[in-house]
Amino acid sequence: GEDVEQSLFLSVREGDSSVINCTYTDSSSTYLYWYKQEPGAGLQLLTYIFSNMDMKQDQRLTVLLNKKDKHLSLRIADTQTGDSAIYFCAESKTPYNFNKFYFGSGTKLNVKP
Amino acid sequence: DTAVSQTPKYLVTQMGNDKSIKCEQNLGHDTMYWYKQDSKKFLKIMFSYNNKELIINETVPNRFSPKSPDKAHLNLHINSLELGDSAVYFCASSRGGQGGPGANVLTFGAGSRLTVL
Repeated sequence: GEDVEQSLFLSVREGDSSVINCTYTDSSSTYLYWYKQEPGAGLQLLTYIFSNMDMKQDQRLTVLLNKKDKHLSLRIADTQTGDSAIYFCAESKTPYNFNKFYFGSGTKLNVKP
Repeated sequence: DTAVSQTPKYLVTQMGNDKSIKCEQNLGHDTMYWYKQDSKKFLKIMFSYNNKELIINETVPNRFSPKSPDKAHLNLHINSLELGDSAVYFCASSRGGQGGPGANVLTFGAGSRLTVL
């Protein structure tokens, strides 16, 4: 199957680190993505990771992939109030399969000042 | 310039009516999609077109009919609207083809919120 699961809510204080977790079931997934949705807006790509990588860092964002456990996480360092949004992880099977993405249910991040 | 634009942004209508949502992308992408996001924020693909050709048609009622007049446009027509059709509908596009992960990156429109009364 292509189930992608995330916890629904996360609340942190400004300046703390946030860790958003995601699990997926399809071991043939090749690319895994993190998207951010701000209120009233569409989803915007934050970052992606290839399945043969363990980690990817991009400024305040760190993506960790445990392929054995099919677990993906997104760490946001020094979380700001502007990071409050819903974060979706998504998987696609191959980079050339434009057919389908499978999205998780989204994790709503609330950053308290 | 808006990369993926959808109209209307809000649509309120009565049950049984027919309505359309339009989508246009100016990114030169080959593939376009319609996603439905329900009240719990769950995002589910409905349709996908590649170069005007339907390539994904998920289990969606026949009342939903996509139309792609050219690769820059993908419209969604809904007949006999029902209460359960209330949702936010997102159009998206991707470059498609062979080109690494960038080819599959989705660019989303801002969404069209449909409310059926």
